[in-house]
Amino acid sequence: TQLLEQSPQFLSIQEGENLTVYCNSSSVFSSLQWYRQEPGEGPVLLVTVVTGGEVKKLKRLTFQFGDARKDSSLHITAAQPGDTGLYLCAGGESNYQLIWGAGTKLIIKP
Amino acid sequence: DVKVTQSSRYLVKRTGEKVFLECVQDMDHENMFWYRQDPGLGLRLIYFSYDVKMKEKGDIPEGYSVSREKKERFSLILESASTNQTSMYLCASSFRAVRVRLTEAFFGQGTRLTVV
Repeated sequence: TQLLEQSPQFLSIQEGENLTVYCNSSSVFSSLQWYRQEPGEGPVLLVTVVTGGEVKKLKRLTFQFGDARKDSSLHITAAQPGDTGLYLCAGGESNYQLIWGAGTKLIIKP
Repeated sequence: DVKVTQSSRYLVKRTGEKVFLECVQDMDHENMFWYRQDPGLGLRLIYFSYDVKMKEKGDIPEGYSVSREKKERFSLILESASTNQTSMYLCASSFRAVRVRLTEAFFGQGTRLTVV
């Protein structure tokens, strides 16, 4: 059974700090996505990574796909209160077969 | 602005009731999905549909059924609601991929269902 393990499960930090969250598996994924979900809303796609070793930047967010395509990380520089939310990773061969991580709940305190 | 709209934000139903959750998308997507989200468990796929009148079981279909009579609408039915079906239900839609690659899934705002 494929699993995606996210760590940490919960993170509470001060505005301006840096942080990294991880998404790990023993399985290889053809591509992997990161979503952010705000309270009372559905998840919204942040990025899709497809190539081993790929790095994508979205303003202060940096996403990396592991060389072996088994893991990924999300690094946030100078976190802002607007970054607060649940960060979910999802991997798989197709949208029909997505494996979802349980999520990292991030709180950025002003 | 793309939209996936779920019929209710909050719903309270009694055990044994038949419950209908409706989802409509305006993006002409082929794929539609129903997930449930529980703390610490991530998203679990209940059913998906890749075309009108087509449906496939996901990971946890027991106790649920679906209907897709029109491309834009995907309904989730709880045949006889039970307390263990209390959860957040999320509908999503996406384009069908041309190659093996994840396409962007657009989600509704969710329906928080409580069965008492």
